[in-house]
Amino acid sequence: NAGVTQTPKFRILKIGQSMTLQCTQDMNHNYMYWYRQDPGMGLKLIYYSVGAGITDKGEVPNGYNVSRSTTEDFPLRLELAAPSQTSVYFCASSTGGHGAFFGQGTRLTVV
Amino acid sequence: KNEVEQSPQNLTAQEGEFITINCSYSVGISALHWLQQHPGGGIVSLFMLSSGKKKHGRLIATINIQEKHSSLHITASHPRDSAVYICAVIDRDDKIIFGKGTRLHILP
Repeated sequence: NAGVTQTPKFRILKIGQSMTLQCTQDMNHNYMYWYRQDPGMGLKLIYYSVGAGITDKGEVPNGYNVSRSTTEDFPLRLELAAPSQTSVYFCASSTGGHGAFFGQGTRLTVV
Repeated sequence: KNEVEQSPQNLTAQEGEFITINCSYSVGISALHWLQQHPGGGIVSLFMLSSGKKKHGRLIATINIQEKHSSLHITASHPRDSAVYICAVIDRDDKIIFGKGTRLHILP
């Protein structure tokens, strides 16, 4: 039981490049989330999903896309990376009564 | 008004002091997490509570469901306890709602 696995752990992108942050959970959780955390700031919700095939925008969705084709996977896509997207990204999953689990984070720098 | 409020936002204390961090929430919940994040580090769940009190080493977490309030206590604080502590609730729809965190700094 690996919990929530995020890859990669670190990435440097050039402005205008694109990439996909991967998130996988093996706990059959319905809810999955992507957050970003800027230096010295709290977590801000980018997108979330209540189950396979369903996604919704959070507080800061601009510049990102997600998909949820399976219960296990919730990738976050950055198109046309911008310096403002330099941040640490966390994936999480949750299920009622059993709490929430967090990935280890992806540190992204856009130069 | 945020649905999850933490206090204080920042706390500096001397090594050995008893530390209390508070969390109040305004929504119905199925569970509450206390999370720890060291600088540049990942997020670690210290406790998950749905009622009562839990203890792990020098850490104690309590929750009062009627008052919608939880506290995290650290006894005999140590510089390695310096971190950001985040209260997060799981609401009735299974969504995670985070507090803004409490930045704790323990001086040697």
